[in-house]
Amino acid sequence: NAGVTQTPKFQVLKTGQSMTLQCAQDMNHNSMYWYRQDPGMGLRLIYYSASEGTTDKGEVPNGYNVSRLNKREFSLRLESAAPSQTSVYFCASSEGRTSYQETQYFGPGTRLLVL
Amino acid sequence: QQQVKQSPQSLIVQKGGISIINCAYENTAFDYFPWYQQFPGKGPALLIAIRPDVSEKKEGRFTISFNKSAKQFSLHIMDSQPGDSATYFCAASKLSGAGSYQLTFGKGTKLSVIP
Repeated sequence: NAGVTQTPKFQVLKTGQSMTLQCAQDMNHNSMYWYRQDPGMGLRLIYYSASEGTTDKGEVPNGYNVSRLNKREFSLRLESAAPSQTSVYFCASSEGRTSYQETQYFGPGTRLLVL
Repeated sequence: QQQVKQSPQSLIVQKGGISIINCAYENTAFDYFPWYQQFPGKGPALLIAIRPDVSEKKEGRFTISFNKSAKQFSLHIMDSQPGDSATYFCAASKLSGAGSYQLTFGKGTKLSVIP
């Protein structure tokens, strides 16, 4: 099992460009999440998908859109990148709805630099 | 509003010493308190977690102490080793309106264990 995979590993964008970050999990999990990690800020939830077909905003959703393509895949799109979106982006997944003692499994991250 | 406050921001401990990281929360809806460990260039991974009806949980050299009345919890790493050098995040979990469990993270503590 690969767990949670993310592509690309690293990306440089110019202000105003768009891109999609891809995430896939092979653990048959129901819930998937997108976080951003900035120095001194911890991990902040951007969007999440409790189950296939649903998506909801997290703490910092502005400037982002998501798509839960199927049970395995959850993508994050930046329509018009801004320097403030320079960050490390992590995708995570969890079983979903089975127990409050849920573990979230994280991918290796995508480092995004917006110039 | 920072819902989970974590301190210190950074910590340097001698090999064999005890590392202590503290967290405090406000929202009484939180019902599960995990700690995640992150090595440089990697995604966070669950280290240890505790339910609010338990005051202490120990797994090997790692112990969580939980004080429900004070809304505080802490991670103790006994006999700290250089391999424990990482960033540690406390988190608190609650059920979201969409039916999945959301994690709110502290800002992280960078631990360095020196020989």
